[in-house]
Amino acid sequence: KAGVTQTPRYLIKTRGQQVTLSCSPISGHRSVSWYQQTPGQGLQFLFEYFSETQRNKGNFPGRFSGRQFSNSRSEMNVSTLELGDSALYLCASSSHTGDGTDTQYFGPGTRLTVL
Amino acid sequence: KQEVTQIPAALSVPEGENLVLNCSFTDSAIYNLQWFRQDPGKGLTSLLLIQSSQREQTSGRLNASLDKSSGRSTLYIAASQPGDSATYLCAVPALMNYGGATNKLIFGTGTLLAVQP
Repeated sequence: KAGVTQTPRYLIKTRGQQVTLSCSPISGHRSVSWYQQTPGQGLQFLFEYFSETQRNKGNFPGRFSGRQFSNSRSEMNVSTLELGDSALYLCASSSHTGDGTDTQYFGPGTRLTVL
Repeated sequence: KQEVTQIPAALSVPEGENLVLNCSFTDSAIYNLQWFRQDPGKGLTSLLLIQSSQREQTSGRLNASLDKSSGRSTLYIAASQPGDSATYLCAVPALMNYGGATNKLIFGTGTLLAVQP
């Protein structure tokens, strides 16, 4: 099976712009989660989508949003970019049986730089 | 609120040495614990997942143990190689209000491992 893919791999934007990142999960996985990784804060959970519905949300401002399509592909959007949004954005997919046995598989990440 | 810590933050060892990485969590009510590896600027690679009912899991030169009562997990790497150099992260899933597992992972801050040739 192909792994989790993320596009684009690198992005450079300026403050105030918006950006959309894409994630394609492993075939058959219906859960997609997004994380932000920065040197200062480590890995922080943004949100999770399951069957096109947001199921969990982290403590990020409303400028961060996402959605999931019927084929389980997910996008996240960041509006009005700030310098502090520069980070590696990772998505993870799992089958999520809900019994705690699910391994989460991560994509290679999108490196966002905000100038 | 679950908190996950990893000590040490960095570790340097000579090639061939056996080593242990530590992961601690504050709430013993976990469903599982997952160990990941991250190479610089890359995504996370899942190494091992230990379910709460298990004591250990093995994959090749890696062995992970879990002691829920003490809130600890260790990742043992045998006969370390320069290719093992990476950041190692442990994570546990956050729980729902009623106690079920979510897919929200709570990560430790990681241990940066350098294996010297």
